[in-house]
Amino acid sequence: GAVVSQHPSRVICKSGTSVKIECRSLDFQATTMFWYRQFPKQSLMLMATSNEGSKATYEQGVEKDKFLINHASLTLSTLTVTSAHPEDSSFYICSAKQGVGTEAFFGQGTRLTVV
Amino acid sequence: TQLLEQSPQFLSIQEGENLTVYCNSSSVFSSLQWYRQEPGEGPVLLVTVVTGGEVKKLKRLTFQFGDARKDSSLHITAAQPGDTGLYLCADDNYGQNFVFGPGTRLSVLP
Repeated sequence: GAVVSQHPSRVICKSGTSVKIECRSLDFQATTMFWYRQFPKQSLMLMATSNEGSKATYEQGVEKDKFLINHASLTLSTLTVTSAHPEDSSFYICSAKQGVGTEAFFGQGTRLTVV
Repeated sequence: TQLLEQSPQFLSIQEGENLTVYCNSSSVFSSLQWYRQEPGEGPVLLVTVVTGGEVKKLKRLTFQFGDARKDSSLHITAAQPGDTGLYLCADDNYGQNFVFGPGTRLSVLP
């Protein structure tokens, strides 16, 4: 199957700093990428949907100025957590699709810890 | 807004036992996916079902999609420790976005 790679897999940052997470589709062009957040022992919560070359669509309750999403190319989307706080600590997962009706492939996730 | 429910929330069984987990939606699925997620990893797709009444088998896993396309079950025969994980059902909402259920956390003890 197709491969989606997330980097880094783990990151620890100080409160108030920003951290960028990358999501790459390695062997296909991803017209749509999704970003999720997952708290311990809970399911995935969709944060935003991004289509290449356009602004991301954020789910209700997700601060777009805090979680900056960029999908500048068909193989790369980035999520930047700005001015991170301990409550932003979570497992962040991306997924990518080649087009409508195609399978979504998930990255391996990024464990963010804000201290 | 579509709501997905999964049951049971937690399940702990002995190796060799059979089990069934369920997924129900408040509205008709556009297409239903079942995923398994292991700790610290992203979800991995197990199956996609689209047609009401559809049954798919994947080795010891049997997936059934309800006739009304609002419910599904996943049956595992002779569970093994390697089946341990979080089982998630999801709807891709006609390609717009993904809605995930809360998951069933399965633990298979050796």
